[in-house]
Amino acid sequence: QSALTQPRSVSGSPGQSVTISCTGTSSDVGGYDFASWHQHHPGKGPKLMIYDVSKRPSGVPARFSGSKSGNTASLTISGLQAEDEADYYCCSFAGSYTWIFGGGTKVTVL
Amino acid sequence: QVQLVESGGGVVQPGRSLRLSCAASGFTFSSYGMHWVRQAPGKGLEWVAVIWYDGSIKYYGDSVKGRCSISRDNSKNTLYLQVDSLRAEDTAVYYCATLSSSWALDYWGQGTLVTVSS
Repeated sequence: QSALTQPRSVSGSPGQSVTISCTGTSSDVGGYDFASWHQHHPGKGPKLMIYDVSKRPSGVPARFSGSKSGNTASLTISGLQAEDEADYYCCSFAGSYTWIFGGGTKVTVL
Repeated sequence: QVQLVESGGGVVQPGRSLRLSCAASGFTFSSYGMHWVRQAPGKGLEWVAVIWYDGSIKYYGDSVKGRCSISRDNSKNTLYLQVDSLRAEDTAVYYCATLSSSWALDYWGQGTLVTVSS
């Protein structure tokens, strides 16, 4: 099972918006509304930012939002801040009690 | 607050076995499913295994199927991952994470590094 497809990197200036795509198949992203997004700063444990495609856990800033269309989930960071610079991974339930991650996207704040 | 602390990593020779542990606190461990996820150097996250809250269901990723065994001891609030016949490609930081009611991995540990090398 191949990893979900994400762009290797995206960048933006403070205050701008960036969107990260995550493309899978009808067996994972497209088949379930269980896509999630995780922020990962090097040397730390990942942090859940979005679950169930578009829901934010308590404490996650409202500038993080998620959506899905067909087999592609997306994470948008509006009003980019310096502390948002990190690696971001999408993840999807893939049926039969298995999960699959994307290859990761490095977000750079210029 | 939820805390997950992995341990048991280190340098291991190819072909040997290793058991990783994940000590949980700050929540009712026995009520939650748990995952193992790994990240090889310079690579992305890879899902490894999941175990149900009571240990009744266990599933594995294709790359470790047959060589890994996930288990838990709810009396000790501890999750385990046994990896056998270690290969160079098993070199990675191994993370444990909780399974939320929304099928997401919601809390993560800091990880433990496993290096497979002779």
